Amino acid sequence: GAGVSQSPSNKVTEKGKDVELRCDPISGHTALYWYRQSLGQGLEFLIYFQGNSAPDKSGLPSDRFSAERTGGSVSTLTIQRTQQEDSAVYLCASSLGTGGGGQPQHFGDGTRLSIL
Amino acid sequence: AQSVTQPDIHITVSEGASLELRCNYSYGATPYLFWYVQSPGQGLQLLLKYFSGDTLVQGIKGFEAEFKRSQSSFNLRKPSVHWSDAAEYFCAVVRMDSSYKLIFGSGTRLLVRP
Repeated sequence: GAGVSQSPSNKVTEKGKDVELRCDPISGHTALYWYRQSLGQGLEFLIYFQGNSAPDKSGLPSDRFSAERTGGSVSTLTIQRTQQEDSAVYLCASSLGTGGGGQPQHFGDGTRLSIL
Repeated sequence: AQSVTQPDIHITVSEGASLELRCNYSYGATPYLFWYVQSPGQGLQLLLKYFSGDTLVQGIKGFEAEFKRSQSSFNLRKPSVHWSDAAEYFCAVVRMDSSYKLIFGSGTRLLVRP
């Protein structure tokens, strides 16, 4: 079956531009997570969705970062006025609800974002 | 606060040799623990998970891990490494709040000598 799909796989943009990253979770998965993987910081949580709502946005690094989820499915992570420190791999994961923490998260291949 | 430590940044083993990757966690109660593997340019693939019960868990690709509460450890093992096992390995613990997000260790890069 289809896994978590992310697009684009690579994105190169100039500093100051806005970017949108897309995540298509596994069908039926109600929980969706965004993580960021960078050389200096490792793997960091950004935001969690349950259905279309985001009860935990505690990992978003600044107000330049926002995300939404529609139809309980596709999610978009938007970074405004990109900075060089935003360069990283952005990973999306989904799971069958949280199940009290017991449901494993399934990851996409990520979007590699490079800010020139 | 929950945390995960992977003390080895990289490990090199010969093909056919045994492997053990170390993971220590910090959490008061019984944690939910995972091992993921990441090949270059790929996302994270789940190898195995521990929630409760039998402390020795079996995963995919011939991997296993043992939960030891007394040592706060969840080490990953494989009896005979294949060249295709070369990748980065991440240990993670579930943060027991409303989101159940994953807290990752810094990863261990495995190199396999022919």
